Amino acid sequence: SAVISQKPSRDICQRGTSLTIQCQVDSQVTMMFWYRQQPGQSLTLIATANQGSEATYESGFVIDKFPISRPNLTFSTLTVSNMSPEDSSIYLCSVEGGQKTNYGYTFGSGTRLTVV
Amino acid sequence: AQRVTQPEKLLSVFKGAPVELKCNYSYSGSPELFWYVQYSRQRLQLLLRHISRESIKGFTADLNKGETSFHLKKPFAQEEDSAMYYCALSSNTGKLIFGQGTTLQVKP
Repeated sequence: SAVISQKPSRDICQRGTSLTIQCQVDSQVTMMFWYRQQPGQSLTLIATANQGSEATYESGFVIDKFPISRPNLTFSTLTVSNMSPEDSSIYLCSVEGGQKTNYGYTFGSGTRLTVV
Repeated sequence: AQRVTQPEKLLSVFKGAPVELKCNYSYSGSPELFWYVQYSRQRLQLLLRHISRESIKGFTADLNKGETSFHLKKPFAQEEDSAMYYCALSSNTGKLIFGQGTTLQVKP
């Protein structure tokens, strides 16, 4: 199955600043997904990142706040812009695992963001 | 609307007891359903996919379209099963919709 390296694993940031999270996959994948998990909550999809096209954002998430890059089939970044304490969450990237994982999705280890 | 509901936030059982983690879904098409597990300090990982009809770590889950359910079951819980369990539905666009999660606590 695909192996995802996500970094940073955690960060503490000042409000008003931005943080860029990186996800590197060890194989080429068509779609990459970015999720947010707020404290005590489940995972919510932020956007789907396709190589060579604009990311598709879910309701409640906008490109100005969460710009995404997808320069190739193995890499993507999510930026959390102009951060406020409400952005404190775990952010995860995910890809479809392919046949070896019976088409389950594989997740990165997550980035735990605290905004102070 | 597409939705996954896990009614129990916490399920606490004794070792050796049967376990059933409930999951109900709302989806207009043919759903693809998954169970994911997150052990302490580990990343989220796939446990079961309904289409595979496998038993993983003694867990099984059957899709009941009439009741729109995909409950996760294990006849005899082990302490190492203690974790957070998420039921998820894959839409036709490939994105996953997660339930709220159930913490399973298996007591010795």
